[in-house]
Amino acid sequence: EIVMTQSPATLSVSPGERATLSCRASQSVSSNLAWYQQKPGQAPRLLIYAASTRATGVPASFSGSGSGTEFTLTITSLQSEDFAVYYCQQYKNWPPSWTFGQGTKVEVK
Amino acid sequence: QLQESGPGLVKPSETLSLTCTVSGGSISRSYWSWIRQPPGKGLEWIGYIYYSGGTNYNPSLESRVTISIDKSKNHFSLKMSSVTAADTAVYYCALGDGSYFDYWGQGTLVTVSS
Repeated sequence: EIVMTQSPATLSVSPGERATLSCRASQSVSSNLAWYQQKPGQAPRLLIYAASTRATGVPASFSGSGSGTEFTLTITSLQSEDFAVYYCQQYKNWPPSWTFGQGTKVEVK
Repeated sequence: QLQESGPGLVKPSETLSLTCTVSGGSISRSYWSWIRQPPGKGLEWIGYIYYSGGTNYNPSLESRVTISIDKSKNHFSLKMSSVTAADTAVYYCALGDGSYFDYWGQGTLVTVSS
């Protein structure tokens, strides 16, 4: 199983500032990585796939980068609606055994 | 849209059964998955069914899980046997292309308790 490790567990950021979230894979997943945003009481929402491609309707303030084992989600100029938990997910395996990171909570500083 | 339905309370050792109804589109395409999230914890992929009927499950759950599809009713289902308190979670159904998950249901909480 590919283990996904996210850091930090909690990130305290002031509105308007930049947030940088990390995701590390236990083995290379190439660019087969997605990012999701989850707000309390809601289902996750796809933000990024293929490591750096924004999903439909996702603002340009969200960007993803990385390949292999190291990935980053950057949120520039945090808005109130961006405070949430973010998960990474790898989908390299075939047949699939897709795995998620444990999440990073972005909270108001 | 995806909508989960099923009992919110299941007794230990019994079988959990959930259905995901697909509306606004055909189920005869792509991969349909179940994903769960224990309270306050992260996400775990349970398995998928392809519209043609092929399945694949998380190895850690494979012995207890069955996913099926009913194209005439535009829904797919999850059965998980021999549940314990560790199976208490919000269960989501989701649509993907065999990689990431584009669309999710709102989720349904299933509690395992006597």
